[in-house]
Amino acid sequence: NAGVMQNPRHLVRRRGQEARLRCSPMKGHSHVYWYRQLPEEGLKFMVYLQKENIIDESGMPKERFSAEFPKEGPSILRIQQVVRGDSAAYFCASSLQQGASYEQYFGPGTRLTVT
Amino acid sequence: GENVEQHPSTLSVQEGDSAVIKCTYSDSASNYFPWYKQELGKGPQLIIDIRSNVGEKKDQRIAVTLNKTAKHFSLHITETQPEDSAVYFCAAGGGADGLTFGKGTHLIIQP
Repeated sequence: NAGVMQNPRHLVRRRGQEARLRCSPMKGHSHVYWYRQLPEEGLKFMVYLQKENIIDESGMPKERFSAEFPKEGPSILRIQQVVRGDSAAYFCASSLQQGASYEQYFGPGTRLTVT
Repeated sequence: GENVEQHPSTLSVQEGDSAVIKCTYSDSASNYFPWYKQELGKGPQLIIDIRSNVGEKKDQRIAVTLNKTAKHFSLHITETQPEDSAVYFCAAGGGADGLTFGKGTHLIIQP
């Protein structure tokens, strides 16, 4: 039974390029969360999605960042025109039930480096 | 919004001794408190959690306590082993949005 899968594991982008991060939730899970982790910091919530719906994007920057979770396929976190400050580890988590009162299981993360 | 404070930032204990990590939260609406273990280069791993209708929960060498009145919760690891060395994060949740995490505790088990 596969856990949460993320790819790529490492991504290098030059300033101004686009970064696409993919997340496949655990089997049977339809709730996906994205978090960002800076070095020596805790994880910061970005966005919560269900299939075809964004439920809460209060933690996501208003510009350049977008997320989707289509009916078919993985959830995508997209960062346009990346800047050095976007360098971080991006984790997604999935849960079986709605809301932050239920267990969230994390993927291995995508480490984004902007040069 | 919710704010979670975690202490200490680094904890060094002798193998076999106990380790305690403490967290406080600010939002009385939070009702779910998980703990995660993160090893270098890996994603956070859920190790134990507690809900606000329970004061204590134990799983082998790991236990978590919750004091709702004081808004603090703690992780206790007994008989520590080298493989317990990692960064531990507490978190609080309860609404439709994501979890709010503490900044982490780097636990070092000295042989």
